[in-house]
Amino acid sequence: QKEVEQDPGPLSVPEGAIVSLNCTYSNSAFQYFMWYRQYSRKGPELLMYTYSSGNKEDGRFTAQVDKSSKYISLFIRDSQPSDSATYLCAMSKDNNAGNMLTFGGGTRLMVKP
Amino acid sequence: GAVVSQHPSWVICKSGTSVKIECRSLDFQATTMFWYRQFPKQSLMLMATSNEGSKATYEQGVEKDKFLINHASLTLSTLTVTSAHPEDSSFYICSARVGVTGGGRELFFGEGSRLTVL
Repeated sequence: QKEVEQDPGPLSVPEGAIVSLNCTYSNSAFQYFMWYRQYSRKGPELLMYTYSSGNKEDGRFTAQVDKSSKYISLFIRDSQPSDSATYLCAMSKDNNAGNMLTFGGGTRLMVKP
Repeated sequence: GAVVSQHPSWVICKSGTSVKIECRSLDFQATTMFWYRQFPKQSLMLMATSNEGSKATYEQGVEKDKFLINHASLTLSTLTVTSAHPEDSSFYICSARVGVTGGGRELFFGEGSRLTVL
């Protein structure tokens, strides 16, 4: 079993829809949670960064962490075709970047005009 | 955010040749850079941690003699795939850390280099 599970998709939605992307994890030691967006043939770009349980909102994006269920979500409101990309969740046990990140496999999102 | 540049963005080479990929932090100094490999429709897998002025730390299962990493300055790390074979074909991504602490917020990724070995 992978430490971080993420449905690969593809997830296809019409423009304007609310998108829900999710990851589950098995290691309760994870405390820092991130969502990255990766366009085709590009490197990942950090979208959201959260610590422990709770919600965080940034524009059309909302990140939600439920540590009791070991479940994190990213919601995208009013989705746009430009949101079409692969979304990777990542998490770490401590505050040390890079070598401590565990990535999900990514969910491919397609927003159709 | 900080900018990390990778070069080349794509490369095709013959089996048995060596290929060098550069990772540069353009507007900050990075004492630590990371190299990842990503196969199609799969996630990023950390290959090694590159520290300026010292030897890289490789993840389990990554051959250090095949994937040579050099971090000679605070703004440049290079990954050389030696004697490349078709199974080495992949998307190689580097990342650089801006600060010492701050976790994932201080990690910026390059745009990746696609290697195809014929």
